[in-house]
Parts: sequence; C-alpha cells; structure tokens
Amino acid sequence: DAGVTQSPTHLIKTRGQQVTLRCSPKSGHDTVSWYQQALGQGPQFIFQYYEEEERQRGNFPDRFSGHQFPNYSSELNVNALLLGDSALYLCASSWGATNEKLFFGSGTQLSVL
Amino acid sequence: GENVEQHPSTLSVQEGDSAVIKCTYSDSASNYFPWYKQELGKRPQLIIDIRSNVGEKKDQRIAVTLNKTAKHFSLHITETQPEDSAVYFCAASIDNQGGKLIFGQGTELSVKP
Repeated sequence: DAGVTQSPTHLIKTRGQQVTLRCSPKSGHDTVSWYQQALGQGPQFIFQYYEEEERQRGNFPDRFSGHQFPNYSSELNVNALLLGDSALYLCASSWGATNEKLFFGSGTQLSVL
Repeated sequence: GENVEQHPSTLSVQEGDSAVIKCTYSDSASNYFPWYKQELGKRPQLIIDIRSNVGEKKDQRIAVTLNKTAKHFSLHITETQPEDSAVYFCAASIDNQGGKLIFGQGTELSVKP
C-alpha cells in the first residue's frame, strides 16, 4: 500500500520563475492538504483540496494556487518565485476533508536562487 | 491569530529516562491535538493524537495529556531509546477548518546511549 507520493523530490528555480509540485494521496484517501516547512520550523498550512475544490486556505498570497484532479491527486503552483519561497513543501492526505490523522509525504525541497 | 507555542526547542536525555514536551495553544475552539515525529530528511509521522473530550491518552511508551482550561497539552515519552531521537511537533486544529493544523516550532530530542 503506497503512502503519499510527491514529485519531484528536489527542485532548483530562479527568482520570478513558476513551479508546479505534484502529490498523489495515500490509497483510500480523497483529500489533500499542502504545507510549507521552512528550515527549523513547523509546517505552515497553505490550503486543502477536497472534491476538486479549495476548501480552506492559510495565510499565503495568491501566487500560491492549486488543483485537485478526479483521481484525487493534486498540484501546487507557485508563481513569481521569491527567495523566501525556498522551503520543503509537504503534501498530506486524509479522508473526507477531515483534520484528523493526516498522512504526510516526504516533501519536495524547493530552492529559489 | 491562532498560535501554538512549543517548549523546549531542544531536549537531551539519557537512554531510559523520560522526556516531556509541552505546548500551549491560543484558540480555545481548538479540539484536536496531534503529535508528529520527523526524523532528519523524512516525512512527519503521526505518533499520537487526542481530542478535547479526552484528558489523557496512552500508547505503549507514549502518552499525551490535555488541560483545556489552561490550554496546555504535553507529550510524555518513557524509557527513551536512541531511535526516539528526532524532531517532535505538536499541533492544534478546529474541526470546521478542514486540514488546517497549526504546528508548534518543534522540539529536537536527542537520546544518548
């Protein structure tokens, strides 16, 4: 039984570029939440997708957007990258738009130069 | 806004000793409190969680206690082992806010053989 799969594992971009990160939820899960984890900090909630809609959003600018597909997989898009966007981006899946027992992936390490 | 404070930031214990990590949350509506363990370069893993209608929960060597009046919750690890070494994060959330977990800053636990 595969857990949460994220791709790519590492990514290097330059300021002003755009990036797309991908996530496949754990088998049986239908909800995907995205988090940003800066070095030495706890994860910060970006948004949650359920039934192909953004259900909840954290304090992130509109440069951060997402999508959920009919197979429950999800993408995180970040436009106009800033140096401060460098972080580990974590995807977490769950069932039924719940806040309980989120299952995290290993993340995508994004470096913005 | 919502906030979770976690202490200490680092904790070093001898193998076999107990470890205690404490968190305080700001939003009295919070009703779900998970704890995650993150080893270096790996995904956060849920180790135990508690809901606000329960004061204490135990799973083998790990226990969590909750004081709703003081808005405090704590993680207790007994008979620590070197493999318990990791960064531990507490989090708080509210049921109607989907997958939005508010994380503490993390505690780096080191268990010395």
